[in-house]
Amino acid sequence: GQQVMQIPQYQHVQEGEDFTTYCNSSTTLSNIQWYKQRPGGHPVFLIQLVKSGEVKKQKRLTFQFGEAKKNSSLHITATQTTDVGTYFCAGRGVFGNEKLTFGTGTRLTIIP
Amino acid sequence: GAGVSQSPSNKVTEKGKDVELRCDPISGHTALYWYRQRLGQGLEFLIYFQGNSAPDKSGLPSDRFSAERTGESVSTLTIQRTQQEDSAVYLCASSLGEMGRTYEQYFGPGTRLTVT
Repeated sequence: GQQVMQIPQYQHVQEGEDFTTYCNSSTTLSNIQWYKQRPGGHPVFLIQLVKSGEVKKQKRLTFQFGEAKKNSSLHITATQTTDVGTYFCAGRGVFGNEKLTFGTGTRLTIIP
Repeated sequence: GAGVSQSPSNKVTEKGKDVELRCDPISGHTALYWYRQRLGQGLEFLIYFQGNSAPDKSGLPSDRFSAERTGESVSTLTIQRTQQEDSAVYLCASSLGEMGRTYEQYFGPGTRLTVT
């Protein structure tokens, strides 16, 4: 079955440093979504990417979808303490399966 | 409008007892998902409903787990003869559902299940 891996599993950064998490799928994806889960909270949708090579920005967050539609990345510029949490990617396969497969997640902690 | 709600928010049960977890999705959302999240871990897919049918039950860990959905609304996840390894947060999510399209999932606050 489809597998979605994320690296790194954990990332500790000084406040103000940049952060990147990478998402890799074992199969080609029709689209990819990103979610953020704050400590003690539930996942909250951030964005969806659909097109090959697509890049979207939300303030300090930059999301990319790979040309082959098998990988994606989330980059945060100049991290702030509010960025703390676990970031999940979630991909849907190309063969009409409605189920999203969530990645393993990257937990970001910020050192003030 | 109201988001996804789940009840109870916390459940402590003795090993061997049955538990029922409830999810009320956002009105009009035809797709409903159940996930399990162990402490510090990722989201483990359990089951997905489109309307009242469950086209994908592949994530249910054993036959002790079952789920149903009625009226294209409320869903109940039942765990029979609970075991300590069932302890986790059970998350429900809903979304608009349409074949060939992917919509964002809205998650409920979860039910924290502790089996003693």
